[in-house]
Amino acid sequence: IVMTQSPATLSVSPGEGATLSCRASQDISSNLAWYQQKPGQAPRLVIYGASTRATAIPTRFSGSGSGTEFTLTISSLQSEDFAFYYCHHYGNWPATFGQGTKVEI
Amino acid sequence: EVQLLGSGGGLEQPGGSLRLSCAASGFTFSSFAMSWVRQAPGKGLECISTIGGSGGGTFYADSVKGRFTISRDLSKSTLFLQMDTLRAEDTAVYYCAKGHNSGWFLFDYWGQGILVTVSS
Repeated sequence: IVMTQSPATLSVSPGEGATLSCRASQDISSNLAWYQQKPGQAPRLVIYGASTRATAIPTRFSGSGSGTEFTLTISSLQSEDFAFYYCHHYGNWPATFGQGTKVEI
Repeated sequence: EVQLLGSGGGLEQPGGSLRLSCAASGFTFSSFAMSWVRQAPGKGLECISTIGGSGGGTFYADSVKGRFTISRDLSKSTLFLQMDTLRAEDTAVYYCAKGHNSGWFLFDYWGQGILVTVSS
């Protein structure tokens, strides 16, 4: 299953909202996660089950979608939110990641 | 607190071998699948291998099948990745990752990353 993210780069001002997209090459139901990664750090789970926030993730992060189309929305970007975001299909093997979206100031 | 502490990386020549380790603590190690995910320099994430909770069931990406072996020592709460016949394209940061309650291949905790460089 190929995961395709768009856009590759998203330029946003602090306080603005951001919408990231992810498309699966076939139906993956709701087996979709989003990870945040900052330079030099390990990825951090943000959303799983397409729309469930992981532990300690702020409510400004929300996920939606099912089947083949998914969205991660950050309602009001804080300085700590500028990072790479990867979508991830985990329903079966091989589990695959999208190529990433860089959210920059 | 869940902690995953990786070790064993370094510089190795093409054709050589390395063994990565990941010491786990803060959870019942035998109850969760564990995985290795790698990231080549400036690139995205690739899940290369997963092992089931009590060692039952192993999975490999085509890129490493036949060359890498995943295993775990339940008595020491440690995950391993034996890497043989290394290639230049195996150069990457390798992360160990803990499986989530909602899926073997969903990762809720990650190690700090282990740098592996394959070069002559």
